[in-house]
Amino acid sequence: AQTVTQSQPEMSVQEAETVTLSCTYDTSESDYYLFWYKQPPSRQMILVIRQEAYKQQNATENRFSVNFQKAAKSFSLKISDSQLGDAAMYFCAYRSEGGYGQNFVFGPGTRLSVLP
Amino acid sequence: GAGVSQSPRYKVTKRGQDVTLRCDPISSHATLYWYQQALGQGPEFLTYFNYEAQPDKSGLPSDRFSAERPEGSISTLTIQRTEQRDSAMYRCASSLFRTDKETQYFGPGTRLLVL
Repeated sequence: AQTVTQSQPEMSVQEAETVTLSCTYDTSESDYYLFWYKQPPSRQMILVIRQEAYKQQNATENRFSVNFQKAAKSFSLKISDSQLGDAAMYFCAYRSEGGYGQNFVFGPGTRLSVLP
Repeated sequence: GAGVSQSPRYKVTKRGQDVTLRCDPISSHATLYWYQQALGQGPEFLTYFNYEAQPDKSGLPSDRFSAERPEGSISTLTIQRTEQRDSAMYRCASSLFRTDKETQYFGPGTRLLVL
C-alpha cells in the first residue's frame, strides 16, 4: 500500500519570502500522480498543483512550484513571494495511475503560517 | 453548479441516531468521492462512484456506513446508529471522468458531531 509522509506539522514564513514544504511517499508503482492541496480556514480543499510521475519537468503554477525527485520519492512544494492568503493547511497526495478511490492517499498535512 | 456543495454544513446528533449527508457535485462530473477527515489529518477515502455505479466501497469503516448516487448526480452518505467515533468532517469531491480524472474538486464538508 502507498503511504504519504509530511514530516513538518507546522511551518511559518515571512510575507514575501519563500518557503518549501516537504513530502515523501512510498510506492512500488512506476506510474502515478502527485498533488498538493491547500485547505484554508474555510476548510475548502483547493488543488494547488499536480505532477505526473512520467514527466521529468517540475510542475509550476504561478508562485507555486514543485521539486519532484522520483528516485528519492520526494515531492516538495515551494511557495515564492508568500502572501497572507497562503496561510492554510497543505496536504500532499498520491494517486495511482489507472486507479481511483483508495488509490488516492493523502499525507497528514503541514500547517503554514504567514507572518506579516 | 459552480462548485461542489454539501449539506448540512454542521450536524450534531445523539449516539444511536441515523444521519444522512448530502453532496451535490459539479454538473457533468461523472466521478464522486466520499472522504472522512479527522481534525488535523488528511482525508481518508470511504467510497466512490462512477455515475451511479459504486465500484469501490472498501474504505467504509463498517456496515453502518452506506452511500448512494441513484441518478448519477447527487449523492448521500448515511451513517446508521451513529457512534462517537464517527465524529469527523465528511468531505465530498468530484472529478471529470475521462478528460481530467486526476483533479478532484472538494466540497466544503459536513462537520458531524456525535454526542
